[in-house]
Amino acid sequence: DQQVKQNSPSLSVQEGRISILNCDYTNSMFDYFLWYKKYPAEGPTFLISISSIKDKNEDGRFTVFLNKSAKHLSLHIVPSQPGDSAVYFCAASGLGFGNEKLTFGTGTRLTIIP
Amino acid sequence: DAGITQSPRHKVTETGTPVTLRCHQTENHRYMYWYRQDPGHGLRLIHYSYGVKDTDKGEVSDGYSVSRSKTEDFLLTLESATSSQTSVYFCASKGSINQPQHFGDGTRLSIL
Repeated sequence: DQQVKQNSPSLSVQEGRISILNCDYTNSMFDYFLWYKKYPAEGPTFLISISSIKDKNEDGRFTVFLNKSAKHLSLHIVPSQPGDSAVYFCAASGLGFGNEKLTFGTGTRLTIIP
Repeated sequence: DAGITQSPRHKVTETGTPVTLRCHQTENHRYMYWYRQDPGHGLRLIHYSYGVKDTDKGEVSDGYSVSRSKTEDFLLTLESATSSQTSVYFCASKGSINQPQHFGDGTRLSIL
């Protein structure tokens, strides 16, 4: 049972345009959501997070939007740059004690076309 | 990232042999994790630790054991390796409950 789903295995975007990566979840107990970026032969790197008390969090070119009623979050990258080409993982957990574990999606490979 | 090193980075071994992977962190983080990454599955949690000698199972723990005798070290052991355990293994750590996990660069394990 995949509790965190990334339904697009891959996405190609022109350099300078907006990249939108999507993630859906099924567990209504999830309250904390994260995006990780992964280059080949490296470990995932934390990118940005959001808790359920917010619907948007922004950090430079990266913005995460959370729609709790739809159980959906998205990562917007604008403008997209060649260095953004990587695999992006969405992850989720509850908040507080007893919620030390993350559940990951299967990832979306983003390719930025120069 | 966050001072996490995994060793070895690559290993090839035979079915039935024991294998131990090591994760070492220098951040004095309380929580440590072991994941495996396989095509089509993303990252799946094997075991995790919430303190020295305190460990618990993840979603794919069968065939694996862990030990944490010091804050900085978290060992993953495959008692008798099988070909289905061929994978890339990642270790992660974090300092407190609502912080993001930080990952090592992985160990590529091939079991022939």
